[in-house]
Amino acid sequence: SQKIEQNSEALNIQEGKTATLTCNYTNYSPAYLQWYRQDPGRGPVFLLLIRENEKEKRKERLKVTFDTTLKQSLFHITASQPADSATYLCALDRTDKLIFGTGTRLQVFP
Amino acid sequence: EADIYQTPRYLVIGTGKKITLECSQTMGHDKMYWYQQDPGMELHLIHYSYGVNSTEKGDLSSESTVSRIRTEHFPLTLESARPSHTSQYLCASSEWRVSGNTIYFGEGSWLTVV
Repeated sequence: SQKIEQNSEALNIQEGKTATLTCNYTNYSPAYLQWYRQDPGRGPVFLLLIRENEKEKRKERLKVTFDTTLKQSLFHITASQPADSATYLCALDRTDKLIFGTGTRLQVFP
Repeated sequence: EADIYQTPRYLVIGTGKKITLECSQTMGHDKMYWYQQDPGMELHLIHYSYGVNSTEKGDLSSESTVSRIRTEHFPLTLESARPSHTSQYLCASSEWRVSGNTIYFGEGSWLTVV
């Protein structure tokens, strides 16, 4: 069955640094991969989508890469701010449905 | 900002009671979903719908049921609540585009069964 792995340990970084989160998947070849942000007690919010034929996608301070050979996506937040602190989920499509990883909690401290 | 609404946000109810979690979206999306998420855990798809009169079970088995009589409305019902049903339930909707199937989530309904 398809499996999505995100680092379950929280990532703690200092304000201004670049945060890099990893998403690995197995037993599947998704047409695209998405990243969501989830704050405590709230529903996830869509951030970025990258297709299998795209290597990199950017949106303001966010950058996503997608390596279909390694079956891995990297999510970068440059010039991180305390307001970026949240859990970040990757999701991949599976026959018109999305399946989500467990998410990685990011904590940006001043 | 997504136009998808869930009520109630918080509900504490006794074992054996029947409950319905409401979900409405004003975006005209055909596809709607219910996910279940325990604190700090991953999202699990429990129900989805491709349109009116279409309902399917998701990956995680659930004793809840859903209905889709109107495009904008996708309620979830538990006939007899149990403590094991305590969780957060997230409703979502999406519209297929060539660029991908982006999902918009509601704020969630926190259910506690005592």
